[in-house]
Amino acid sequence: DTAVSQTPKYLVTQMGNDKSIKCEQNLGHDTMYWYKQDSKKFLKIMFSYNNKELIINETVPNRFSPKSPDKAHLNLHINSLELGDSAVYFCASSPNHRGHYGYTFGSGTRLTVV
Amino acid sequence: KQEVTQIPAALSVPEGENLVLNCSFTDSAIYNLQWFRQDPGKGLTSLLLIQSSQREQTSGRLNASLDKSSGRSTLYIAASQPGDSATYLCAITPGGGATNKLIFGTGTLLAVQP
Repeated sequence: DTAVSQTPKYLVTQMGNDKSIKCEQNLGHDTMYWYKQDSKKFLKIMFSYNNKELIINETVPNRFSPKSPDKAHLNLHINSLELGDSAVYFCASSPNHRGHYGYTFGSGTRLTVV
Repeated sequence: KQEVTQIPAALSVPEGENLVLNCSFTDSAIYNLQWFRQDPGKGLTSLLLIQSSQREQTSGRLNASLDKSSGRSTLYIAASQPGDSATYLCAITPGGGATNKLIFGTGTLLAVQP
């Protein structure tokens, strides 16, 4: 019954590896997001997709590549992982891209790069 | 550039006290403001969503107010309980533009002592 679900919940990997995080929402929302929460707990948007189309791309390194196969799924692939990529990554969704009706967040994926 | 600040950064109160968390934003052109709570190692739970045309929203022991012209919102928690201990985040959806995203505040870490 989880509205926005992310997998995996925890991910520990070595520098240089490539990894993916998956997100699915069953709310029927049109828009999905990836946010990053850094070590100081500050949350900042990375990407947004509306009906499978990329609409927000916030100065994120090219090593990060989101993909949305359909409007219910948004995945995040990270190439050549670096120590600084360690953070908690949150997926979120909203009914539309204007955010008028608020946002629903997943439980997060804690990525640790060693 | 929109900036969101929360004061205090941390707060410790004895059980039963009423308390107020503050959120301020630099640009009054917003669509809405949303309060979230984040428990350690967990995701974000939406508490209250206030549209720009509204002055306040209430849910149980929580009351959030919005003064758009002065760029301020407060979250009032009545009769605090140890279970209220968490980090509280406010986030705004900026106005204008075809696409939107949440801009988060710096958070207030609340500890309610039994």
